[in-house]
Amino acid sequence: GENVEQHPSTLSVQEGDSAVIKCTYSDSASNYFPWYKQELGKRPQLIIDIRSNVGEKKDQRIAVTLNKTAKHFSLHITETQPEDSAVYFCAASMGGGSNYKLTFGKGTLLTVNP
Amino acid sequence: DGGITQSPKYLFRKEGQNVTLSCEQNLNHDAMYWYRQDPGQGLRLIYYSQIVNDFQKGDIAEGYSVSREKKESFPLTVTSAQKNPTAFYLCASSPGQVYNEQFFGPGTRLTVL
Repeated sequence: GENVEQHPSTLSVQEGDSAVIKCTYSDSASNYFPWYKQELGKRPQLIIDIRSNVGEKKDQRIAVTLNKTAKHFSLHITETQPEDSAVYFCAASMGGGSNYKLTFGKGTLLTVNP
Repeated sequence: DGGITQSPKYLFRKEGQNVTLSCEQNLNHDAMYWYRQDPGQGLRLIYYSQIVNDFQKGDIAEGYSVSREKKESFPLTVTSAQKNPTAFYLCASSPGQVYNEQFFGPGTRLTVL
């Protein structure tokens, strides 16, 4: 099955700096890559996703890049703010047919210091 | 955040007892999922269901059981066979197509005493 590795497990940045979280996946058939944010004590929520036919997607301060050849994708957060502090999860899905499963990475705890 | 609910928020169980966690959604989603979250382990899939009366094992199904008798409901039973049941359990739903977002419930924290 699919395996998703996520790094780093913890990341601390100063407010205003950029943060980058990287994930690799094992199955070249994966074609959908969402990122979820989970604030302390709350449920995970989708913040951005990318499909395999796109190399980059941006939404305000958040961007995701995908390298299908290398089987890795990354989350980029610019101009970080204290409210960006949370656990971030990447995920991958092979999709197609009847397979709707997501395989998640183990998460990155991002701390933005004021 | 409305649309998918879980109850109870906190649950305590004695060793050897089965316990059922509730998950309900009014989003008319076809697919529903159960995840277990442990510190440093991410979200691990227990069971998922793509249509009523059908479900599949996820990566860590041992010691758990589910049913999907109604589209809106996907209860999870943690049986006494689950060796380490203390964890945070998250239910999710999605429209059921590969590119669709999964929406999560607020979670149930289960503690075995």
